[in-house]
Amino acid sequence: GAGVSQTPSNKVTEKGKYVELRCDPISGHTALYWYRQSLGQGPEFLIYFQGTGAADDSGLPNDRFFAVRPEGSVSTLKIQRTERGDSAVYLCASSFQDKNTEAFFGQGTRLTVV
Amino acid sequence: AQRVTQPEKLLSVFKGAPVELKCNYSYSGSPELFWYVQYSRQRLQLLLRHISRESIKGFTADLNKGETSFHLKKPFAQEEDSAMYYCALSRSSASKIIFGSGTRLSIRP
Repeated sequence: GAGVSQTPSNKVTEKGKYVELRCDPISGHTALYWYRQSLGQGPEFLIYFQGTGAADDSGLPNDRFFAVRPEGSVSTLKIQRTERGDSAVYLCASSFQDKNTEAFFGQGTRLTVV
Repeated sequence: AQRVTQPEKLLSVFKGAPVELKCNYSYSGSPELFWYVQYSRQRLQLLLRHISRESIKGFTADLNKGETSFHLKKPFAQEEDSAMYYCALSRSSASKIIFGSGTRLSIRP
């Protein structure tokens, strides 16, 4: 079946604007993760959902970042008042909620704030 | 604090030579350790995990709790092994995955 899908693949926005990034996980996966990857760095954890609830949001850098997963499937990462430092590739991953299960990653959304 | 350290940003070896990508971690407890790989123009994918004790594409990794290391090894490098490699850890109860900064492996013909 289809893998994790992220839209858009590229997004260019002006500083100060609001953006939404979408993630469609693999069907049946209850766990969903958002990561941010800056150039030359590894993926940086942002938030993890188990079902509809955020099980761990300790990686969100500040209150401009927010994510939802209202029906336990699709998730949206929302960034308010974007700053140039928010420019990065935003990765989504999903997995079954079993011990030691594999996380499958999407292709990422490249966000550029100009 | 939970941390994964990959000291080499770039590792370049000749085809047929042995490869070792270094990974050290700090974690208070018993983490699960992973190696993820990203080939050119492809998405990040799991290569192997320490609990499986598998050899994937000729790669192996042994968890050394005394040295808090999880180095990735392959006896004979192939050109198709060229990629970005990320060492990662998570709690045993399946939660967030913490990644290292990655090592770019380049195999010269």
